[in-house]
Amino acid sequence: QQQVKQSPQSLIVQKGGISIINCAYENTAFDYFPWYQQFPGKGPALLIAIRPDVSEKKEGRFTISFNKSAKQFSLHIMDSQPGDSATYFCAASVRGATNKLIFGTGTLLAVQP
Amino acid sequence: KAGVTQTPRYLIKTRGQQVTLSCSPISGHRSVSWYQQTPGQGLQFLFEYFSETQRNKGNFPGRFSGRQFSNSRSEMNVSTLELGDSALYLCASSPTGQTSSYEQYFGPGTRLTVT
Repeated sequence: QQQVKQSPQSLIVQKGGISIINCAYENTAFDYFPWYQQFPGKGPALLIAIRPDVSEKKEGRFTISFNKSAKQFSLHIMDSQPGDSATYFCAASVRGATNKLIFGTGTLLAVQP
Repeated sequence: KAGVTQTPRYLIKTRGQQVTLSCSPISGHRSVSWYQQTPGQGLQFLFEYFSETQRNKGNFPGRFSGRQFSNSRSEMNVSTLELGDSALYLCASSPTGQTSSYEQYFGPGTRLTVT
């Protein structure tokens, strides 16, 4: 019940296209859902995050869509660029355990020029 | 502001030895969390420290321990190293321990290899 399931495992998108990564959870105690981007040899970097009381959040080319009833959330990367090629992780934070992030398994995104 | 710093960046140890990793959080951040990243298990939460107290703990054996100092710097220790402890150990700091703030900022990690 503590898991966050992420798909797909890998994704190839053409430059200018839309990259979509999906995550699902079971634990209704989760109340914070961040997305992280990780380049090889680097630590994860916070991209964007959302709370359950919001259905969508947009920051630049990155958008989180959140479906509370389905317990699903997704990351959309608009106008994908080769520089976006990285591993993306969704995560969830349990209410009452402030900084204890439960991570998805990651999606390796390759944006082809 | 300087980011989260971790030392050392790379470490090679022998099975059975112990190791101590260090993390300096972003200035003003009081919460420090540790994560283990491996290809097989992904990113897993180890523990979190806030105001020198362990506030949350993941599902790792007692060989994994940590502490936090009054200046918020943190160390984690792994005793009796096993081959399976080879991983990237990541430290993350957070601005505040209040439930209203969840943003965590990660350091570059320490790559531990156990031979």
